[in-house]
Amino acid sequence: DVKVTQSSRYLVKRTGEKVFLECVQDMDHENMFWYRQDPGLGLRLIYFSYDVKMKEKGDIPEGYSVSREKKERFSLILESASTNQTSMYLCASSSRDRGYTFGSGTRLTVV
Amino acid sequence: AQSVTQLGSHVSVSEGALVLLRCNYSSSVPPYLFWYVQYPNQGLQLLLKYTTGATLVKGINGFEAEFKKSETSFHLTKPSAHMSDAAEYFCAVTRAGGAQKLVFGQGTRLTINP
Repeated sequence: DVKVTQSSRYLVKRTGEKVFLECVQDMDHENMFWYRQDPGLGLRLIYFSYDVKMKEKGDIPEGYSVSREKKERFSLILESASTNQTSMYLCASSSRDRGYTFGSGTRLTVV
Repeated sequence: AQSVTQLGSHVSVSEGALVLLRCNYSSSVPPYLFWYVQYPNQGLQLLLKYTTGATLVKGINGFEAEFKKSETSFHLTKPSAHMSDAAEYFCAVTRAGGAQKLVFGQGTRLTINP
């Protein structure tokens, strides 16, 4: 089965810190995505990538950047963490025939 | 732009009762529709999906959904609820173009009463 692994389940960071969230998939999927999940808002797309070094903004890219240097790894970067970025972050990968697979999520708290 | 509306952020049913979770979508192109389930402290798991063909789709754990184009709906049902069905459920639709971007509804938390 496809596996999407997010490096941390829980993170606590201070306001202003640079934060890296890492995601790795093991099935050679072309597409990778970062969503944030907030109560009552569902999942909102931050960024996605359809190939190495390729990225596109989603609905809420402000305050975030991404990096995809290798096909299996997609990193989300918070340049200067703020308290309103406290959230659950979900990574996903997909291919046309296999659909989406989600990681278990990283719950980030910014204090 | 595509969007999804889930009617009811919380639904509570008794064990053994019918489960009905409502989802309406808007899309300018023929949609692909999905239902995902999220158990506590876990990621999202695909329950079922509609792409083309038969409009009644069967998924895992006894769930099914029917695509009704005239009503722009994709409601999720299960004839008899189990305690293990307690979770959050998300309806999603693909956007047009590019890499299969999913647009999600707000989610519905399902509670099962003994």
